Amino acid sequence: GNSVTQMEGPVTLSEEAFLTINCTYTATGYPSLFWYVQYPGEGLQLLLKATKADDKGSNKGFEATYRKETTSFHLEKGSVQVSDSAVYFCALGSSSNTGKLIFGQGTTLQVKP
Amino acid sequence: GAVVSQHPSRVICKSGTSVKIECRSLDFQATTMFWYRQFPKQSLMLMATSNEGSKATYEQGVEKDKFLINHASLTLSTLTVTSAHPEDSSFYICSPSSYNEQFFGPGTRLTVL
Repeated sequence: GNSVTQMEGPVTLSEEAFLTINCTYTATGYPSLFWYVQYPGEGLQLLLKATKADDKGSNKGFEATYRKETTSFHLEKGSVQVSDSAVYFCALGSSSNTGKLIFGQGTTLQVKP
Repeated sequence: GAVVSQHPSRVICKSGTSVKIECRSLDFQATTMFWYRQFPKQSLMLMATSNEGSKATYEQGVEKDKFLINHASLTLSTLTVTSAHPEDSSFYICSPSSYNEQFFGPGTRLTVL
């Protein structure tokens, strides 16, 4: 079945460091891929998404490219801020667009000043 | 994004009691409601999907008689954990959805003693 694997955290970085959070997936068909962010005490928020191969999603300085050849959707940011500290979830949407999401286990990012 | 609330945010109950969790989408009409469960250090797992006015569809391994879902209106859904046991202790998250938009509640932490 479909699945998502994220790198384990926590990831601790200094402010302005480069961030990569790896995400790989297993799926049939052509699913959409998402990154969600969860700040402390809040619900998950959509950070970015890509709906087809080679699409690049971007938002708030974060980017991720849908790589079908490597079945990956790694999240990157060139210079992190303390306010980026949160839990990041990679997710896979069904090819039939039912709205169901399959999540990775989440990666905690802590950015220190 | 939409404002989604869950009540209560935390609940502790004795084994054998029932607990009702409310999910309200305050400025968004959810034609579909997803309920997820998250165990510590694990990913969100979809429990069930409900469309407004219809019976919920449960994922494999989720007992429909134990987790009662009501989606009475486009802005309110409830999840009732009946005869709760310690293994039901988890973080429950609702996700209202409509027309390619999907949001998440802040979650409810259930602890069953």
